[in-house]
Amino acid sequence: GAGVSQSPSNKVTEKGKDVELRCDPISGHTALYWYRQSLGQGLEFLIYFQGNSAPDKSGLPSDRFSAERTGGSVSTLTIQRTQQEDSAVYLCASSLAPGGVSPLHFGNGTRLTVT
Amino acid sequence: TQLLEQSPQFLSIQEGENLTVYCNSSSVFSSLQWYRQEPGEGPVLLVTVVTGGEVKKLKRLTFQFGDARKDSSLHITAAQPGDTGLYLCAGDNTDKLIFGTGTRLQVFP
Repeated sequence: GAGVSQSPSNKVTEKGKDVELRCDPISGHTALYWYRQSLGQGLEFLIYFQGNSAPDKSGLPSDRFSAERTGGSVSTLTIQRTQQEDSAVYLCASSLAPGGVSPLHFGNGTRLTVT
Repeated sequence: TQLLEQSPQFLSIQEGENLTVYCNSSSVFSSLQWYRQEPGEGPVLLVTVVTGGEVKKLKRLTFQFGDARKDSSLHITAAQPGDTGLYLCAGDNTDKLIFGTGTRLQVFP
């Protein structure tokens, strides 16, 4: 596709339910990143993938958060037993290679609201 | 852990004024990027700086990377309402980009 696509764009869920967020990166981009943004502030790093492997999972807030990437393309971020503090915009980005030399191309995010 | 602090956090100015946004860290980065984000959208890359002391200009925007590659600044000359948005710096930390706390700029006509 022309850009990074994220779905759903909005998700409202009840506390305790599981949610799955999807990211379709730009074709050919080997690196994929997940970030979380609260209240229009800075971005909190969650995890990144190089191909299908995740060299750095250090940003995942708890073991309720997990992510996978298959076929070097689509990625899903799963949050189990959601809590109200999980409410945020979850942003996905892809780039040709990891690191700062290749620009990150972001999707428009999934706005998650836990009630 | 937030490694990059931006200041100011908020900036509200009149069209035509100049402004500077700062991005500071105690860590050394191999490169640093600046992004701008508008409501409901993801951040969009403005510039990448790689060399300590490097200065890059993009029309009315001037970006500088500190000599020690720990800090950076963004200067906007004669701000326009179209410059309104959230400005984010991001440092390259072992292949992951760590983002700053953000500076929200509002330019009034």
